[in-house]
Amino acid sequence: EVQLVESGGGLVQPGGSLRLSCAASGFTFSSYWMSWVRQAPGKGLEWVANIKQDGSEKYYVDSVKGRFTISRDNAKNSLYLQMNSLRAEDTAVYYCARGRSGYRVLAAFDIWGQGTMVTVSS
Amino acid sequence: DIQMTQSPSSLSASVGDRVTITCQASQDISNYLNWYQQKPGKAPKLLIYDASNLETGVPSRFSGSGSGTDFTFTISSLQPEDIATYYCQQYDNQYTFGQGTKLEIK
Repeated sequence: EVQLVESGGGLVQPGGSLRLSCAASGFTFSSYWMSWVRQAPGKGLEWVANIKQDGSEKYYVDSVKGRFTISRDNAKNSLYLQMNSLRAEDTAVYYCARGRSGYRVLAAFDIWGQGTMVTVSS
Repeated sequence: DIQMTQSPSSLSASVGDRVTITCQASQDISNYLNWYQQKPGKAPKLLIYDASNLETGVPSRFSGSGSGTDFTFTISSLQPEDIATYYCQQYDNQYTFGQGTKLEIK
C-alpha cells in the first residue's frame, strides 16, 4: 500500500524550531518529487516547498524562504521539513505529498499523508 | 503570483443534482489545473488532473473542463459521500490553490 506518514508536529513558542518527518512506503521514494503543503485551521491549502528526487533542487513559497528547509534521505525513504523562526501564522496542519510529473516536472500532488499539526503560540 | 478564484464558496444541493464549481485563474495557465476533494478531518484527494483527466479509481460522475483562465468542475449526480470541500490548484507557476468550495447536502 502506498503510504505517507508524517510526524514531529506539536506546540512551539514563536521564534522556536521544529522538524517534521514523513515516512514513505509502498513506492520507489527516490523516483518522485516530494512536497509539503499546509492548511491553517479552518482555511485553505497552501503549498510550502518541493524537493527533487536527488535533493538537488528545492523550491519554497516566499513566506517561508530563509526560515524553512526541505530535505530528504532516499536511503531511509524519508522527507523532512526543518522549520526555524516560527511565527503564529505558521500554525497549520502540515501534509507531506508525493509529486507526479506531467506537463511540468511536478504537475500534481497525487498521494497525501494524514498530516501533522504545528501550533505556534506562547 | 497566480491567483485562483473559486465560486461559489459554499453550495447546498440535493442528492442526484448536477453540481458545478468554477475556478478562474488570474492569468493564462493553459490546462495546468487540478481538482482535489477534501473530506472533514482528512487529507485532500486528487480527482482531476490537467483540467479534464479523471484520476484512476475516481467515479465517472466527476469531470472537469476548461483551459486558459476559466475552468469548471462538475458532479453529474450528487451522492451523499460527495460531501466535502473541493479545491482547484494551478501548477503553471509554482502551486496555488483556490479558496475552496464547501459542498453540503440540502
